[in-house]
Amino acid sequence: DGGITQSPKYLFRKEGQNVTLSCEQNLNHDAMYWYRQDPGQGLRLIYYSQIVNDFQKGDIAEGYSVSREKKESFPLTVTSAQKNPTAFYLCASTPTGLAGELFFGEGSRLTVL
Amino acid sequence: QKEVEQNSGPLSVPEGAIASLNCTYSDRGSQSFFWYRQYSGKSPELIMFIYSNGDKEDGRFTAQLNKASQYVSLLIRDSQPSDSATYLCAVTSGTYKYIFGTGTRLKVLA
Repeated sequence: DGGITQSPKYLFRKEGQNVTLSCEQNLNHDAMYWYRQDPGQGLRLIYYSQIVNDFQKGDIAEGYSVSREKKESFPLTVTSAQKNPTAFYLCASTPTGLAGELFFGEGSRLTVL
Repeated sequence: QKEVEQNSGPLSVPEGAIASLNCTYSDRGSQSFFWYRQYSGKSPELIMFIYSNGDKEDGRFTAQLNKASQYVSLLIRDSQPSDSATYLCAVTSGTYKYIFGTGTRLKVLA
């Protein structure tokens, strides 16, 4: 079954620690995205990548970093510089250049203790 | 800053009624428009997409797009309690960027 796998589903972090959220897709999509969702809010774009070894900052990139070394994988690191990291993180992908549907993973919920 | 605006609700409708959800967007260059449904604690799932002015129907759902007014709406006919969720409007800005509204919470009363 094709899809997007995010892990872990739930993660607890102490203040000052970096954490990495995994996102893997087997849909053969070129473009991948990371969004953050806070309670009662819409999705805000953190980073996106159109192709391997290339990525762009979204609207709220500060305190986050990404890499895109393989087409299938787009991990997100939440660094200690992110002041309020508790949120629901969603990874998504879409085929390149079609502006079509975004396919979402099941999300990762990060809580800072 | 490109924006997508939605009324946060909650929008309450009785079972069997028509629910009407609205969205406005600021980028006149937007080409693709999407409605996602999101249940609490879950990821969004696509309900409808629309690219051209006019109406597009799929079962109980109808999406309406008016590019001149920068307005897109979603009608849900014969609303069911299982339709109770948050509905997110998303529009494209350029080919790769998707901008989401804050969502409208719909409550269908049995």
